[in-house]
Amino acid sequence: EPEVTQTPSHQVTQMGQEVILRCVPISNHLYFYWYRQILGQKVEFLVSFYNNEISEKSEIFDDQFSVERPDGSNFTLKIRSTKLEDSAMYFCASRKGDLSSHTDTQYFGPGTRLTVL
Amino acid sequence: AQSVAQPEDQVNVAEGNPLTVKCTYSVSGNPYLFWYVQYPNRGLQFLLKYITGDNLVKGSYGFEAEFNKSQTSFHLKKPSALVSDSALYFCAVSFKAAGNKLTFGGGTRVLVKP
Repeated sequence: EPEVTQTPSHQVTQMGQEVILRCVPISNHLYFYWYRQILGQKVEFLVSFYNNEISEKSEIFDDQFSVERPDGSNFTLKIRSTKLEDSAMYFCASRKGDLSSHTDTQYFGPGTRLTVL
Repeated sequence: AQSVAQPEDQVNVAEGNPLTVKCTYSVSGNPYLFWYVQYPNRGLQFLLKYITGDNLVKGSYGFEAEFNKSQTSFHLKKPSALVSDSALYFCAVSFKAAGNKLTFGGGTRVLVKP
C-alpha cells in the first residue's frame, strides 16, 4: 500500500540554522499539508498546498517558513532561522482529492522530530 | 472558529470489553469528522470519517463512530477491544472533505489490558 514518507526521522539543529524537512507524498495525490505537534500538545495545521501554491496557512506559518514542491515528487518544508520553540514533530500529509471516494482523506507520514538546541 | 475536545486523556479497558473514546466539536455549519490513530513511532493512520448520511460510520479494524448533531459529538467505539488497539487516538474536524485543514483534538491514549 502506498505511503507518505518523510526524511529525516530526527533532525537536530542549532538555533538560527536553516532546516529543510522532506516529504514524498503518495504519487497520485494532489493536495499536500504540513502539521506539527509540540511535545504533549495538539497536532496543529501549518499549511496546505495545491496546484503549486499555498491554499491556506495558519498563524504559525510566518515568514520563517516556506514550502516547495521542487520536482513533482518531493514536498519540502523549510524553516529559515530556527528557534527553540520550533522543536516539534512535523507531519506531512497528502490527499488524492477524489470527492466521490469514502476513503478520500489525508494520509500522514511518520513525522520528522526536529530538535532545536 | 472550529474546535475539537477529547475530554479523556487516557482510557483503560480490559481486552474483550467495549471501548469508547469520546469527542465533541464546536463548529458553525456542517462539519466533516474524522478519527485517526497513532501507534508509537508511526504517523497518523486514518480510521474513519463522517461526511453526510448515516450517522453510524464504520471504519478500519472494527471501529465505528456515531455522529450526534444535537450533542455535537462523534464518539469512537469498538465492541470488543484488543490489546493491539492500545494507541493514541485523535478526533479531527474539517469543513470540507476536500482541501481544507484538519483541526485536531488533544488525543486520547487507550490502554487495553490483557
